[in-house]
Amino acid sequence: AQSVAQPEDQVNVAEGNPLTVKCTYSVSGNPYLFWYVQYPNRGLQFLLKYITGDNLVKGSYGFEAEFNKSQTSFHLKKPSALVSDSALYFCAVRDRSNDYKLSFGAGTTVTVRA
Amino acid sequence: DAGVTQSPTHLIKTRGQQVTLRCSPISGHKSVSWYQQVLGQGPQFIFQYYEKEERGRGNFPDRFSARQFPNYSSELNVNALLLGDSALYLCASSLQGLYGYTFGSGTRLTVV
Repeated sequence: AQSVAQPEDQVNVAEGNPLTVKCTYSVSGNPYLFWYVQYPNRGLQFLLKYITGDNLVKGSYGFEAEFNKSQTSFHLKKPSALVSDSALYFCAVRDRSNDYKLSFGAGTTVTVRA
Repeated sequence: DAGVTQSPTHLIKTRGQQVTLRCSPISGHKSVSWYQQVLGQGPQFIFQYYEKEERGRGNFPDRFSARQFPNYSSELNVNALLLGDSALYLCASSLQGLYGYTFGSGTRLTVV
């Protein structure tokens, strides 16, 4: 079984401040981990993924995420948030033993105030 | 390059009716997956097809079915619609799951 938890429904930050969106996962084997962003009335837009290798993954639009195996976490970070980063963010996991199913968290709404 | 295209973008159906949603993957992508996103929740896996074969199925009733065509496009069918089927239906395509999934903009289904 595989699952994702995003413990915060909402994250509010001021523009220019660091942004962190938390994600923890559960898989029976080793994970592939993903972050997606969703703007209103749109599909999911890929931000970054962890497959193997360096625990710090850099993605689109200045986002990065750190894979922590001991804490089973994959938090999304951005050093300096922009108002345009306001959106719904989803963390997703796939167990390496299956090659078809992504399991998503419930999502975190990020609001960046000017 | 065209991304994943889904049609229609919106539709309204009555309880008990049937609906067909369509998806065209990115050129060269042989895998298509379908997800249901109910308002306020994360997407839930429905099906994946690869090379026209069903590779996986989520925890959805038999009212949900899908198929993939020789050109790798796909259809999702839902019979005997319920109010609870109202959701955004997302299609994703991939070369291999390893390389991530590209999602379409979705079809917003409203059942009244």
